[in-house]
Amino acid sequence: DIQMTQSPSSLSASVGDRVTITCRPSQSIRTFLNWYQQKPGKAPKLLIYRASSLQSGVPSRFSGSGSGTDFTLTISSLQPEDFAIYYCQQSYSTPPTFGQGTKVDIK
Amino acid sequence: HVQLEESGPGLVKPSGTLSLTCTVSNDSISSRNWWSWVRQSPGKGLEWIGEVHHTGSTSENPSLKSRVIISIDKSKNQFSLKLNSMTAADTAIYYCARGGGGSAPFDYWGQGTLVTVSS
Repeated sequence: DIQMTQSPSSLSASVGDRVTITCRPSQSIRTFLNWYQQKPGKAPKLLIYRASSLQSGVPSRFSGSGSGTDFTLTISSLQPEDFAIYYCQQSYSTPPTFGQGTKVDIK
Repeated sequence: HVQLEESGPGLVKPSGTLSLTCTVSNDSISSRNWWSWVRQSPGKGLEWIGEVHHTGSTSENPSLKSRVIISIDKSKNQFSLKLNSMTAADTAIYYCARGGGGSAPFDYWGQGTLVTVSS
C-alpha cells in the first residue's frame, strides 16, 4: 500500500492567514492526489482532485499543487468556515489510501 | 445533486456480520461510476474498504478482502456491504461514497453511520 504522510499534523492560524499543508506519498503517484475537508460530525468533502483541479462549488481560495511525491494544499486567506481537518488521498493504485489528517484550528 | 444514504444496524455482536446498504439518489447506479465503502475510526483514520461497479465487478482492500462482500442492486439503485467476523477493531463510522475505480476521487459521500461492535 502507498503510505501518505501529511505535515503538520495540526496547526493554529488566524482568519486571513495563508495556510499550507503538505502531503508526501511513499512512492510517486504522478498527479493522482485528492484533498478533502472534514468538519465534526460530517463526511469528508472533496476540495481538490488530480492534485490541482478545484471541485465544483469549492471557493477559489483553495488551491493544490505538486506531482510525484510532493503535494501542497494552500488556503490563501483562511476563513472562519475553513477550520476543519484536511486529508490527502491517493487514487493512483489500489487500495486508495489517505493521509492521517491535518487539523486546522483557531489561534 | 447526488445523494447517498447508509442504512443498517448500529450495533453488531463480536464474530457477527455487518450488513449495510447505501441508497443512491439523483444518479443512476448503472452509470460509469464506481461505488465505494470507506470507514473511519480513531485508531486507523480513513480506510477504504472496497468498491463495486454496475457490471458487478468488485475490488476490496487486501487487508479486509477475506471478510468483505460488496454487491449492487440496480433495481433499487443501491449497493451493499457485508463484513463478517466482526471485532472491536471494526468499530467505526462507515461511509458509502461515489468514486474509486482506480483513479476517481470520492466526490459524493453519505452522512455516515456509526457501527459499534459489542456484546
